[in-house]
Amino acid sequence: AQKITQTQPGMFVQEKEAVTLDCTYDTSDPSYGLFWYKQPSSGEMIFLIYQGSYDQQNATEGRYSLNFQKARKSANLVISASQLGDSAMYFCAMRAHYGGATNKLIFGTGTLLAVQP
Amino acid sequence: EAQVTQNPRYLITVTGKKLTVTCSQNMNHEYMSWYRQDPGLGLRQIYYSMNVEVTDKGDVPEGYKVSRKEKRNFPLILESPSPNQTSLYFCASSPRTAHTEAFFGQGTRLTVV
Repeated sequence: AQKITQTQPGMFVQEKEAVTLDCTYDTSDPSYGLFWYKQPSSGEMIFLIYQGSYDQQNATEGRYSLNFQKARKSANLVISASQLGDSAMYFCAMRAHYGGATNKLIFGTGTLLAVQP
Repeated sequence: EAQVTQNPRYLITVTGKKLTVTCSQNMNHEYMSWYRQDPGLGLRQIYYSMNVEVTDKGDVPEGYKVSRKEKRNFPLILESPSPNQTSLYFCASSPRTAHTEAFFGQGTRLTVV
């Protein structure tokens, strides 16, 4: 079964510190994509970063990096130098080709991050 | 500007009164889908469409209908809303590949009383 697990319902981090948000996934498909989205209190879904299953290097986008450990099936998001504006809900998601029938996103339950001044 | 537009953003309605949430994308994407977001459950797919006139059920389709008559539009229809359909709804679109982000609409916060 396809599944995304985020075990941290909520986290605190001090401003300017780095924080890691955990994500593990389960799929039997060899080709898949892993995504992180940010949802601020206003509600919109903001795409942050993407990692493909065949990518050799960890993805990075500015202050965001994805620590991809394929053998452990983990795709943790690292935010460096946290800012107050990083306070939000963060969702890990996966899209896999299973039989070509659909490419839906499967979401975890999210981690609520609070950045403290 | 590439975008997915949902309307309305907020809606309060009464049980049993039919409603439609519209979704439109301007990126010529084949794939569109609807999700609902509930606390502690993340986002769950309601329905999806691989292309015009091709739709199928997602994980939680009960109580919902969709149609895809044009590539850009994918409305969500609640024929007889019930209080358990109170939720935050998102429309999303993407090209047909596993390796591309999905673009989300702004969300529709629906309350059924």
